[in-house]
Amino acid sequence: NAGVTQTPKFRILKIGQSMTLQCTQDMNHNYMYWYRQDPGMGLKLIYYSVGAGITDKGEVPNGYNVSRSTTEDFPLRLELAAPSQTSVYFCASSSSGSSNQPQHFGDGTRLSIL
Amino acid sequence: AQSVSQHNHHVILSEAASLELGCNYSYGGTVNLFWYVQYPGQHLQLLLKYFSGDPLVKGIKGFEAEFIKSKFSFNLRKPSVQWSDTAEYFCAVKKLNTGFQKLVFGTGTRLLVSP
Repeated sequence: NAGVTQTPKFRILKIGQSMTLQCTQDMNHNYMYWYRQDPGMGLKLIYYSVGAGITDKGEVPNGYNVSRSTTEDFPLRLELAAPSQTSVYFCASSSSGSSNQPQHFGDGTRLSIL
Repeated sequence: AQSVSQHNHHVILSEAASLELGCNYSYGGTVNLFWYVQYPGQHLQLLLKYFSGDPLVKGIKGFEAEFIKSKFSFNLRKPSVQWSDTAEYFCAVKKLNTGFQKLVFGTGTRLLVSP
């Protein structure tokens, strides 16, 4: 009963390094989302996808890229890590975009940029 | 700016005390409302939701929330908290309009229940 799986759980990067946060779901959900959660702040939407091959920007997309080559996977890419990207990142999925289909969240990736 | 406000950032209660967490939003029009909970070390889980109908909605684990449209509020309540309710609670609002309907989260309230 995996649901939404994120890897890694923790990571420390140096400024300027790049990395990919992985997210996969086994529920055959069309919609997938990436959020970041900063201390004392709510979750902010970075990117979302309504299906394989389709992605769009959320509220805070700068410094990130995504791809959606399959229904299951929605990786988030940081090309040039900056201290402002230190945050906890959550991936989520839902079967559709309507409200009666709740979003299912992964356990999060805690990322520190030093 | 459209926003969701949770007034209490930290709440400390003793077991059996009553709980009320505030949530206000600034959108006009039709909205769907949610409360999510994040237990320590776990992912966010849906606690309850309001779409339409009876403004008093009941969720899991004895939680309930009341939608008061005139006050743009959706406060979360529980008559008697338990130590296991220690968690962070997020209110979220989805404004119903055309196109992609974004879920907007409040800043969260950390609840600590002392045994």
